[in-house]
Amino acid sequence: EAQVTQNPRYLITVTGKKLTVTCSQNMNHEYMSWYRQDPGLGLRQIYYSMNVEVTDKGDVPEGYKVSRKEKRNFPLILESPSPNQTSLYFCASSPFSGYTGELFFGEGSRLTVL
Amino acid sequence: GENVEQHPSTLSVQEGDSAVIKCTYSDSASNYFPWYKQELGKRPQLIIDIRSNVGEKKDQRIAVTLNKTAKHFSLHITETQPEDSAVYFCAASIRKTSYDKVIFGPGTSLSVIP
Repeated sequence: EAQVTQNPRYLITVTGKKLTVTCSQNMNHEYMSWYRQDPGLGLRQIYYSMNVEVTDKGDVPEGYKVSRKEKRNFPLILESPSPNQTSLYFCASSPFSGYTGELFFGEGSRLTVL
Repeated sequence: GENVEQHPSTLSVQEGDSAVIKCTYSDSASNYFPWYKQELGKRPQLIIDIRSNVGEKKDQRIAVTLNKTAKHFSLHITETQPEDSAVYFCAASIRKTSYDKVIFGPGTSLSVIP
């Protein structure tokens, strides 16, 4: 089944404890991206990757890191989480490097930072 | 700056009535306008999209209209059903140098009352 898989789906952690949210897609998509969803703010892009060679900041990159060592995986790293990073996170992918169409979203990861 | 506004933020309709959600974008270079539906606890999924060279597109009970001059686009759902209850996000895609940047609106929570 074609899908974008995120883990963990739910996580409660404490301020400063490094964590990684994994994202994997099995559709051979070039483009991958991370969004955070907060009430009243919609989906805001954190980082995106056009392919394994190109990764860049989105609109709200502060406090996050990503890597794209292989095509299928795009982990989101919070080196020192803070309470303002409590949010619902979505990974998404698209077939095309420059993105010209539908985004396929993972099921989401709800993160709480105490 | 790049921005997508969306109204209303919440909408309640009786089953069988129509629902209209309106969005406004700021960047006249926007060329692709997708709509995503997010059911409670689920991932956003594309339901319909329109490109800038088209004024209207319809798919069964849903339709999208685009007014490029006014920088407005709208989602129309006819004969609403309880399963239409969800959060709907509009988005505008802007062509950058080598990729498309997608800006999402804040979302509209639609409730269809049986």
